[in-house]
Amino acid sequence: GAGVSQSPSNKVTEKGKDVELRCDPISGHTALYWYRQSLGQGLEFLIYFQGNSAPDKSGLPSDRFSAERTGGSVSTLTIQRTQQEDSAVYLCASRGSSYNEQFFGPGTRLTVL
Amino acid sequence: KNEVEQSPQNLTAQEGEFITINCSYSVGISALHWLQQHPGGGIVSLFMLSSGKKKHGRLIATINIQEKHSSLHITASHPRDSAVYICAVPQETSGSRLTFGEGTQLTVNP
Repeated sequence: GAGVSQSPSNKVTEKGKDVELRCDPISGHTALYWYRQSLGQGLEFLIYFQGNSAPDKSGLPSDRFSAERTGGSVSTLTIQRTQQEDSAVYLCASRGSSYNEQFFGPGTRLTVL
Repeated sequence: KNEVEQSPQNLTAQEGEFITINCSYSVGISALHWLQQHPGGGIVSLFMLSSGKKKHGRLIATINIQEKHSSLHITASHPRDSAVYICAVPQETSGSRLTFGEGTQLTVNP
């Protein structure tokens, strides 16, 4: 594939349910980022994976949020016991090496009812 | 931690006009990104630059590292340029995590 892909593109869930969002980075990219854009807000950093290093989780808003990256490629962002304030567009980006630009996926729009 | 300010927040122009969007940041950086976000949320990276000027079609991005300021210019604007334009810089001097400006909503009327 040519770019970063994310699935699903849209997800509607009920408050209290768990959701999983998936990101497929560009093949060979070692760095992967998750960002969030809440309605009317700017983008905010959530978590960063670089190769085999421990992920930088400093942006995760609560312990209901977790992410993993299997085999250094695909990443899954999991939100447990979703709340209405979790409604946002979740964006994934990947980067090939230091100082290279980040390539963004199309995002997953999450709506928590 | 880097602080990013964009101006203007909203910009309405007539087709054909020259557009300038500004971005200022507080901490020295290795590179600055300009991103474009269309309705529906998808984001496209327009430029990553660390010095001088880059040009891609009708888009031009400039950066002044000493003044911690960048501008994005659109020449001969077109309604299809209507989007949110976002400036992003590393959160810290040597990091790669990005911190983002609030975005500039550009509307180009025919």
